[in-house]
Amino acid sequence: KQEVTQIPAALSVPEGENLVLNCSFTDSAIYNLQWFRQDPGKGLTSLLLIQSSQREQTSGRLNASLDKSSGRSTLYIAASQPGDSATYLCAVKETSGSRLTFGEGTQLTVNP
Amino acid sequence: GAVVSQHPSRVICKSGTSVKIECRSLDFQATTMFWYRQFPKQSLMLMATSNEGSKATYEQGVEKDKFLINHASLTLSTLTVTSAHPEDSSFYICSAADGHNEQFFGPGTRLTVL
Repeated sequence: KQEVTQIPAALSVPEGENLVLNCSFTDSAIYNLQWFRQDPGKGLTSLLLIQSSQREQTSGRLNASLDKSSGRSTLYIAASQPGDSATYLCAVKETSGSRLTFGEGTQLTVNP
Repeated sequence: GAVVSQHPSRVICKSGTSVKIECRSLDFQATTMFWYRQFPKQSLMLMATSNEGSKATYEQGVEKDKFLINHASLTLSTLTVTSAHPEDSSFYICSAADGHNEQFFGPGTRLTVL
């Protein structure tokens, strides 16, 4: 059974810092990996999707990497802003179907 | 981009009543929709996978007679919480998969059972 773990569970940083969120998964046979953002009481916003054949994806200040063989992904946020404060969720899609398995999330607070 | 809506966004009901939540894909057809629930400060837990025109597939531990799912068209799936109890209070989120199997999420429905 696939298990997804995110570290740290919570992170508080001053504005302007670069930061890294970590995601690990137990079964490397994945179809793709996706990073989401969730604001309190809201749904999910997709940030980056990395196919299993890719090593990284970039969008603006965000960069996500994937090391499938070691079961790890990182989300790098450059020059963090207070508006980046949210919970960041990592999810993997398994090869055998279209279900997503989510991690517990990292709650990020960027202080002005 | 692909948009998924949910209605209502928030509902409060008395214990013992039934509540229906709608999930719609607004600009694409979704043969598969997913229902998740999320408790405070926890991640999303998949409840069931819904395929248009067929019975939903429920995850282990999810009561199919309590959480009724209907996926009558390619753009609409409904989740009915029957005989709701306070422990059913949660945040329910749906997602819809497009032709490339990418999931797009709705904004969620906050259910409070008194």
